[in-house]
Amino acid sequence: NAGVTQTPKFQVLKTGQSMTLQCAQDMNHNSMYWYRQDPGMGLRLIYYSASEGTTDKGEVPNGYNVSRLNKREFSLRLESAAPSQTSVYFCASSAPGGDNQPQHFGDGTRLSIL
Amino acid sequence: AQSVTQLGSHVSVSEGALVLLRCNYSSSVPPYLFWYVQYPNQGLQLLLKYTTGATLVKGINGFEAEFKKSETSFHLTKPSAHMSDAAEYFCAVSHTGFQKLVFGTGTRLLVSP
Repeated sequence: NAGVTQTPKFQVLKTGQSMTLQCAQDMNHNSMYWYRQDPGMGLRLIYYSASEGTTDKGEVPNGYNVSRLNKREFSLRLESAAPSQTSVYFCASSAPGGDNQPQHFGDGTRLSIL
Repeated sequence: AQSVTQLGSHVSVSEGALVLLRCNYSSSVPPYLFWYVQYPNQGLQLLLKYTTGATLVKGINGFEAEFKKSETSFHLTKPSAHMSDAAEYFCAVSHTGFQKLVFGTGTRLLVSP
């Protein structure tokens, strides 16, 4: 009964390093999302995948890439990390049935870039 | 364009007092509205949602919200605060065909004994 699982939970990077944040859901959801959360700014959408095989930019996509590996997995990649990307990253998924379906969230990845 | 405004980044109440967290939205089409709660070091959990039908929506942990189209509001209330309600609360909006949510900036609820 895991729901949405994110790995790692914590990471410290140096400027210019790359890394991939992993997300997997076991609820057979079609849609998956990546957000970043910064103090006083709420959650901002980075990328989303409405279904397997599709991805679209959200509000703040610059500096990130995504891969919808299969229906379960949606990864977020930072190619060259910058201090401005220090944040808490959340993955979410939602069931088919339309935009009235709630999103289910993982517990987040806390990323610090020095 | 969709947007959400949450008035008050922090709200303080005493245990047993009424909780009122404000949310106003902007949408050119009928909205779907959501309230989420976030406890420290956790992800967001759904409290309640409004899609269609009854405008007074009841959620978990004794919370409820009323959709008021004329006021473009979806305020969250709870008659009597409990210490365990201390958390951050987010209002979010979507609509048919939008494929995503737009979140407000959040309101941190502080509950004192």
